[in-house]
Amino acid sequence: AQSVTQPDIHITVSEGASLELRCNYSYGATPYLFWYVQSPGQGLQLLLKYFSGDTLVQGIKGFEAEFKRSQSSFNLRKPSVHWSDAAEYFCAVGAQAAGNKLTFGGGTRVLVKP
Amino acid sequence: IAGITQAPTSQILAAGRRMTLRCTQDMRHNAMYWYRQDLGLGLRLIHYSNTAGTTGKGEVPDGYSVSRANTDDFPLTLASAVPSQTSVYFCASSEGPSNEQFFGPGTRLTVL
Repeated sequence: AQSVTQPDIHITVSEGASLELRCNYSYGATPYLFWYVQSPGQGLQLLLKYFSGDTLVQGIKGFEAEFKRSQSSFNLRKPSVHWSDAAEYFCAVGAQAAGNKLTFGGGTRVLVKP
Repeated sequence: IAGITQAPTSQILAAGRRMTLRCTQDMRHNAMYWYRQDLGLGLRLIHYSNTAGTTGKGEVPDGYSVSRANTDDFPLTLASAVPSQTSVYFCASSEGPSNEQFFGPGTRLTVL
């Protein structure tokens, strides 16, 4: 069965500083990988996705993520955080062999200090 | 409407009562999903439907049922609610297995 681990439950970062959120997955086949963001009281919005090809993926709002097969990781990064980036971030993994189902990590809540 | 709508927005329910959460999408997506979100556990899949007329069980299906009579609607029913079903419920849809899932705004359900 596929699984996703986000080791950091909370991260606090100063506005303008860089941000990196960790995601590790476990799955035997080539996975599809996603990062979603959830603002307070809202649904989830897709930031970026990886299916194949270039392992460095660019997303919306200045985010990027790098797929590292050897480390089973798909970490999310942003060079300079804005106050509006305060939210909860979820990594998810899917695979063609698993049909249409995604498995989500437990989430990382990001707090931004002024 | 555009995207996915869910109703109600929130609900307080007595234990033992029956409740149906509604989900409608207007994107003509084949696949639809129901998740529950609990603190520290992320989103867990309850049930899914790859196409109208078919449904499947997710990670936490017990106590829930779904139907998919048409492409647009995917209601989730709690036959006899229990306090452990207190959660935020999200409906989502996608075109297919490798496409992103689009999420509704959620329903906050409290079972007392």
